[in-house]
Parts: sequence; structure tokens; C-alpha cells
Amino acid sequence: ETGVTQTPRHLVMGMTNKKSLKCEQHLGHNAMYWYKQSAKKPLELMFVYSLEERVENNSVPSRFSPECPNSSHLFLHLHTLQPEDSALYLCASSQNSGGGREQFFGPGTRLTVL
Amino acid sequence: AQTVTQSQPEMSVQEAETVTLSCTYDTSESDYYLFWYKQPPSRQMILVIRQEAYKQQNATENRFSVNFQKAAKSFSLKISDSQLGDAAMYFCASGGYNKLIFGAGTRLAVHP
Repeated sequence: ETGVTQTPRHLVMGMTNKKSLKCEQHLGHNAMYWYKQSAKKPLELMFVYSLEERVENNSVPSRFSPECPNSSHLFLHLHTLQPEDSALYLCASSQNSGGGREQFFGPGTRLTVL
Repeated sequence: AQTVTQSQPEMSVQEAETVTLSCTYDTSESDYYLFWYKQPPSRQMILVIRQEAYKQQNATENRFSVNFQKAAKSFSLKISDSQLGDAAMYFCASGGYNKLIFGAGTRLAVHP
């Protein structure tokens, strides 16, 4: 595997379900991100982890719970979601030392909440 | 607050022609980078080009080039010799460490 991978690619869940999204980066980066992409809206940054510590949480509802067990893996735990949470969830990683700072994205998980 | 504005929700171009996508941004940071990302219909977001704000020279990557006007906070993307594979959503982004702010995107259609 190369780059940034995400599983599952598609997820349909009811409002009472609990599920988790997984992201894995194979680039040796030290920062990982969760974004929410809704139709006709800019990407919304949800969470940032740098060196496995959460450095930013953009006022995301508590029904979204991130976990970063190591620098290569990032999870987004979901529970009691609402239909308006249906969106494409993108994971990204970057190397935040030296130059660059560009973020590399995974293919996303298309989430539908019924 | 940092903002990125893409004023063109949709653009179209004929194959082999040139198109320019607009982007303006606002940031309080002195050290920042600017990026253009492409998101084809398959949804994988990929980096097209980046510009360090401290560099005056405009970045170029093959058929893609930028016009960076720092004083005007403008960062447009020019695509030369457009190809069918260039059809995608294009996102402009501004940021520094640990944070990128994205614009709403411009959908580019390429007509044969």
C-alpha cells in the first residue's frame, strides 16, 4: 500500500449505530487530519493530530470521536449520528517539519446516515 | 480569520486551450504556503502545485502555472493545453503548519 488509505470506502449507518472510520498513511508523516466534505461547501477541518497529539478540534460535535494510536493510524469513531452528518470524510497527512506542508489525501469514506 | 475565496463555481474550456482559475485569500500569518488541489470524479484529492509565500517567482509544474500577487492576496491557476483528464474540481488552499483553509472549489469542464 502506498500513500494514504481509508476504509471503508462507503458506509451506510442508522442514527443509533456505532461505527469507525480508519485511515492509514504510508508516507512517514507526523501529522494527520480529518476533514468533512459536503456538497457545495468548502472542506471543513475537523481534527488535527501532530506527533500523535490532538492540536486542533474545530468545535466538532461529540458524536465524532477521533483516535490516533500512532503516527501512521487515525480513526474516527461515530455514534448517534444525524442525517446531516452524511458526507465524504477525508483523511490527510503531512510532514510538518522542514519545507513542504502539503497535505496528502486519502480517497475518502462516503458516509450516509439514515 | 483566514479565508479563501474562489469566485468561479464552474468553468469550462475547450481541449488544447488555456483556462485560468481565480483564488483570493486572506491570512494574518507571515509564513504561509498556497496550494492548488485537484479532485477528479473518483474523489482522490491530489496536489497540483504549491507556492511558498516568501518566493516572488511564480511556481510552474508542466502545463500548470500560478500567478501569485502577494500584495493583492491573489493566487490564480493557469492550465495550458487543457486535456480531458483535467476535468475535475479544483480547490485553492492557504495555510501553514497543521492547518489548511480551503476554498469552495471550481468545477472545471473540458470539452473536446
